[in-house]
Amino acid sequence: DADVTQTPRNRITKTGKRIMLECSQTKGHDRMYWYRQDPGLGLRLIYYSFDVKDINKGEISDGYSVSRQAQAKFSLSLESAIPNQTALYFCATSASGGAEEQYFGPGTRLTVT
Amino acid sequence: AQSVTQLGSHVSVSEGALVLLRCNYSSSVPPYLFWYVQYPNQGLQLLLKYTSAATLVKGINGFEAEFKKSETSFHLTKPSAHMSDAAEYFCAVRETGRRALTFGSGTRLQVQP
Repeated sequence: DADVTQTPRNRITKTGKRIMLECSQTKGHDRMYWYRQDPGLGLRLIYYSFDVKDINKGEISDGYSVSRQAQAKFSLSLESAIPNQTALYFCATSASGGAEEQYFGPGTRLTVT
Repeated sequence: AQSVTQLGSHVSVSEGALVLLRCNYSSSVPPYLFWYVQYPNQGLQLLLKYTSAATLVKGINGFEAEFKKSETSFHLTKPSAHMSDAAEYFCAVRETGRRALTFGSGTRLQVQP
């Protein structure tokens, strides 16, 4: 089984709808991250959490919210989806430390029409 | 603010040719540096990382990168390209004191037969 799983893998939704993307990990890591990937822009950090009670905004948090339900679970919500939130979303985890590798999930392709 | 620049959004090489993917960072203090690879329809996986132990870092699949402080560079190389190397490659940096990675915009490597 994969260490980092994301659900759903693909989602099409309409403008104004609320949507939640879920991430689970079996690595036992404290740190979890949400990124979005857009062509030509690389990965941009939306939110990150260094433990269950520590949640921080990344560089593009507007329009998004997160919930860290447990050490292993980190959900990303779009309260009212808009078309420019169409992107590929990745969850990642890492152990504590500055040079620790991040382990990525397979991604969720979200389309907002 | 930390930034990472990857020169060339697309690089094309012939099978067996040298691969050189460029990454420059802006930091006065040597940071932690990473190269990740993303194969089609997959998440990112770590190729290699620099943590100040050695300036020449060897990674998986025959890739290596050299940290050059004077040039603020961390270019990725492979002596002989293989068809299976076709993917998108991301340079990432974590500056001392910062809590998250900053990714470059990515370079898509195409390998011609």
